[in-house]
Amino acid sequence: AQSVTQLDSQVPVFEEAPVELRCNYSSSVSVYLFWYVQYPNQGLQLLLKYLSGSTLVESINGFEAEFNKSQTSFHLRKPSVHISDTAEYFCAVSASAGGRGSTLGRLYFGRGTQLTVWP
Amino acid sequence: GAGVSQSPSNKVTEKGKDVELRCDPISGHTALYWYRQSLGQGLEFLIYFQGNSAPDKSGLPSDRFSAERTGGSVSTLTIQRTQQEDSAVYLCASSLGGTSVYEQYFGPGTRLTVT
Repeated sequence: AQSVTQLDSQVPVFEEAPVELRCNYSSSVSVYLFWYVQYPNQGLQLLLKYLSGSTLVESINGFEAEFNKSQTSFHLRKPSVHISDTAEYFCAVSASAGGRGSTLGRLYFGRGTQLTVWP
Repeated sequence: GAGVSQSPSNKVTEKGKDVELRCDPISGHTALYWYRQSLGQGLEFLIYFQGNSAPDKSGLPSDRFSAERTGGSVSTLTIQRTQQEDSAVYLCASSLGGTSVYEQYFGPGTRLTVT
């Protein structure tokens, strides 16, 4: 099975400051990696994903994440945050192939990091 | 187009009652997942449907939980004899399946409160 650790449950930052939300994972098989965002009173939205290819992936709203296989990490970064980025962010992994003991596409989530951006 | 929809958005029930939660996936999506989001446990996988294959029920926490998917589309999650620890937000997600199974689209969730 896979597991995800998000070390920071809360990250407060001021507007226009850089931010990094940390994510580490554990898996005995190859994985795909995801960041989901949940705005207040809304459902989960896919922010970005790593499936293959370039280890640096970007979202349309300025976030980026880098897959580091040796460190089993997939940290999320943004060089300058906005108040509208205030939300809970979830890192997730899934096995890259289904099979015995593995549900294809099943997501294993971290506990989430609440990002609060202050003016 | 329309996203994943879930109903009801909120449900308050008394301990011991049965509840049914409904999920309408995106049209054409063959894969459907149920997850549960609670304060103590975070986001947990419950069950997975893929096409006409037997569902993967490995995440269901007890035999009080069951789910079905009719006609490869709408899914219903049923919780029998609800307990207070069942209080959570129940999330449904769907995806195209095949090589796109990993791109899951989530519904807004059903907030279940067991009193």
